[in-house]
Amino acid sequence: DAGVTQSPTHLIKTRGQHVTLRCSPISGHKSVSWYQQVLGQGPQFIFQYYEKEERGRGNFPDRFSARQFPNYSSELNVNALLLGDSALYLCASSSQVPYEQYFGPGTRLTVT
Amino acid sequence: SQQGEEDPQALSIQEGENATMNCSYKTSINNLQWYRQNSGRGLVHLILIRSNEREKHSGRLRVTLDTSKKSSSLLITASRAADTASYFCATDASTGFQKLVFGTGTRLLVSP
Repeated sequence: DAGVTQSPTHLIKTRGQHVTLRCSPISGHKSVSWYQQVLGQGPQFIFQYYEKEERGRGNFPDRFSARQFPNYSSELNVNALLLGDSALYLCASSSQVPYEQYFGPGTRLTVT
Repeated sequence: SQQGEEDPQALSIQEGENATMNCSYKTSINNLQWYRQNSGRGLVHLILIRSNEREKHSGRLRVTLDTSKKSSSLLITASRAADTASYFCATDASTGFQKLVFGTGTRLLVSP
C-alpha cells in the first residue's frame, strides 16, 4: 500500500505570497495532521482533521488554514508568507485518534 | 513550544555498539512515541508506549517509560550504519484529538 504522499516536494515563494500544500493519507485513514519543522527543531503541531472536521489547532496565526476533503486528502494554506515560514511541512495520517501517526516525506518551503 | 528534551543532543558510536537516548517531558501523557528522521525528510514511526506500560520491545529497539520521573529512554542494540538518523520522542497529552509534542531530537551517527 502507498504511504502518505505530499506535494509538491519543494517550493520557493516570495514574502507576501500565498501557498497551498497537499497531502493524501494512507488508504483507510480518516485523520490527517499537519506539522511544521524548522531546521534544527522538532516538528510543531499545526492542525488535525478527522472525518473532515478540524479537531485541534496549534499555536499558529490565522494566516494558516487547512481543510480535509471527502476522500480524506487535505490542503494546508498559508497566506501572507513570512521569511519565518520557511520550513519542512509534514503531513501525518492515522486510522483512529489516538493512534500511531504515519508521516509523509514533507514539503520543503523556502520563503525569500 | 517543545514539550520535551532529548539527551544527548548528539551521539557518535561504532557499529555493533548500543545506543541509548533519553527523553524528558513536562506534563501527564496518554502515550509517548519515538520517531526516526533521515536527513530532514519524513518521520518514521518506531514504537508507541502507553502511559500504563513500563517497557516495550520491537526488534532491536527497547523503550522504557517512567511516568513518575516523566522520562523515557530508547535503546538501540547492535547498532548499524543504517541507524544513523535523528531520533525524536513525541508525547500525546491531548483529549479529543491527537497533538504530538516533539522534543528537540538526538542526532545519532553510527560509524562502520
